Amino acid sequence: AQSVSQHNHHVILSEAASLELGCNYSYGGTVNLFWYVQYPGQHLQLLLKYFSGDPLVKGIKGFEAEFIKSKFSFNLRKPSVQWSDTAEYFCAVIPMNTGFQKLVFGTGTRLLVSP
Amino acid sequence: NAGVTQTPKFQVLKTGQSMTLQCAQDMNHNSMYWYRQDPGMGLRLIYYSASEGTTDKGEVPNGYNVSRLNKREFSLRLESAAPSQTSVYFCASRKDGLLYGYTFGSGTRLTVV
Repeated sequence: AQSVSQHNHHVILSEAASLELGCNYSYGGTVNLFWYVQYPGQHLQLLLKYFSGDPLVKGIKGFEAEFIKSKFSFNLRKPSVQWSDTAEYFCAVIPMNTGFQKLVFGTGTRLLVSP
Repeated sequence: NAGVTQTPKFQVLKTGQSMTLQCAQDMNHNSMYWYRQDPGMGLRLIYYSASEGTTDKGEVPNGYNVSRLNKREFSLRLESAAPSQTSVYFCASRKDGLLYGYTFGSGTRLTVV
């Protein structure tokens, strides 16, 4: 079945460490790609999105993601994490060739940053 | 502030009880969605509505019904709640067009005992 995969379910880092969260999708054709963040007790917020153009997109709070079409990947990165980045991160995809566009989420990665 | 409003924020139901989760948006969006979030499973689409008067099933529609009452409101109904429906429910809306993402509500935490 077509899906969105996030390989790391839990990640624990120390402050100032670099972060990379993996995301792969299995949809062919054109896709819109997103990373959302959910801080403890809060609703989802958009970190960044990719629709077209430069495959390296920058989002809020120092996050960036790179779309590699040949690898069907959209990995999230941050050079130096902070304690306040502790949250759950969701990769999401809108496949554009499936009729009405619907957002499909990965299973999420729970990030814990220790001070 | 503009956005998506969900009520209630918390609810405990007994097995077999019914209830309706309410969602309203004031951004004049055509598309609205209901997701459920479960640990280790991400968010899964229950139902969606592409426009006023239309609704369609998503990935996990069993046990739920929806109503798109008007452009602003999209409600989710559990006719006979089951413990498997214990979850956090998120409503979202989206403006038409490729360049806009989704706006999510703050969620309803439902426990069925």
